[in-house]
Amino acid sequence: EAQVTQNPRYLITVTGKKLTVTCSQNMNHEYMSWYRQDPGLGLRQIYYSMNVEVTDKGDVPEGYKVSRKEKRNFPLILESPSPNQTSLYFCATGSAGGSYNEQFFGPGTRLTVL
Amino acid sequence: AQSVTQLGSHVSVSEGALVLLRCNYSSSVPPYLFWYVQYPNQGLQLLLKYTSAATLVKGINGFEAEFKKSETSFHLTKPSAHMSDAAEYFCAVSVWNAGNMLTFGGGTRLMVKP
Repeated sequence: EAQVTQNPRYLITVTGKKLTVTCSQNMNHEYMSWYRQDPGLGLRQIYYSMNVEVTDKGDVPEGYKVSRKEKRNFPLILESPSPNQTSLYFCATGSAGGSYNEQFFGPGTRLTVL
Repeated sequence: AQSVTQLGSHVSVSEGALVLLRCNYSSSVPPYLFWYVQYPNQGLQLLLKYTSAATLVKGINGFEAEFKKSETSFHLTKPSAHMSDAAEYFCAVSVWNAGNMLTFGGGTRLMVKP
């Protein structure tokens, strides 16, 4: 079954404690991306990756890091989380240049930073 | 750059009534347009997409949308609302040279009254 998985699904942490949210896909997609969803703002892109070892900033990259060492994985790293990073996070994947840029989304990770 | 505006952050209809969710886009080149649905505690699921073929696009669960270039609109409709349609709906735009990037609207929460 084609899947995008995220872990953890729910996380409560404290300010400054480094955390990683994992994203994995089994669709052999080149493109992977992270979004955050906040009420009234829709989804805003944090970082994206066009392929292994190729990453770039989206609209709201401050406070986040990513890496793409393998095609299937695209972890999101918050080195020093702050309360304004409390949000719902989605990982998405797509076939580069195919399907008119359609993306497939993971189930989401709800992060609370106290 | 592309942008999307969804008019109405909340829409309430009665069961059996017409559903109309509005989406207007801005793009300097021909766009690809998408509607995604998000059920509670779930990720985003593709409802339908416009890819420059037919202007009237049919999607899953009885939804359809019409691309109107002159109005820069891509409104989502369903003739008869069902309780199970209650969810948040997102309109998104992309273009062929945008490297898989999607720009989302702020979302519209649809409530269906019995």
